[in-house]
Amino acid sequence: DGGITQSPKYLFRKEGQNVTLSCEQNLNHDAMYWYRQDPGQGLRLIYYSQIVNDFQKGDIAEGYSVSREKKESFPLTVTSAQKNPTAFYLCASSSGPYGSPLHFGNGTRLTVT
Amino acid sequence: AQKITQTQPGMFVQEKEAVTLDCTYDTSDQSYGLFWYKQPSSGEMIFLIYQGSYDEQNATEGRYSLNFQKARKSANLVISASQLGDSAMYFCAMREGGRSNYQLIWGAGTKLIIKP
Repeated sequence: DGGITQSPKYLFRKEGQNVTLSCEQNLNHDAMYWYRQDPGQGLRLIYYSQIVNDFQKGDIAEGYSVSREKKESFPLTVTSAQKNPTAFYLCASSSGPYGSPLHFGNGTRLTVT
Repeated sequence: AQKITQTQPGMFVQEKEAVTLDCTYDTSDQSYGLFWYKQPSSGEMIFLIYQGSYDEQNATEGRYSLNFQKARKSANLVISASQLGDSAMYFCAMREGGRSNYQLIWGAGTKLIIKP
């Protein structure tokens, strides 16, 4: 079955360390996205990529970095510059813009202490 | 200003009753799309239904339908014959503008609890 795989499900890090969240899709979708979700809030866009080797900042890109070297993969690095990194991170993909729905992975819950 | 407003932070509904979850939106674009997603306690986001601004008919998908009132800028989700498994967070989202726009704007969500 096609889908999006995020790993790991839970991640714990010490403050000051960079951490990379994995996102892989086998839906053959061109577009991929990273969202952050905090308790009681909607999703906020961190980065998105429309095609390989290209990506754009979302609303809260500061302290995060991404790469898109392969169509299937869109890893997110949470750097030590991110002031409040503890959150639930969701990766998504879509076949295109406009009316194309996003398909989501199961998320990674990151806790930084 | 909020572009997507979900006024019901939480709702309790008796099993088998119909449920209406409210969503109002704000946009000056003529071309836009509205999405509803379900997020169970496990965390994954599940796409439920989509309505384009030019669609003349209200969208339906199984037990889900969208009550789209363009003049009032509302896109309420209706769940018929609710089930215990419908207990979850529900999010309304909008994609504005032309066909090159990839970004979704999200509401804060409504927590729906179905009572047996």
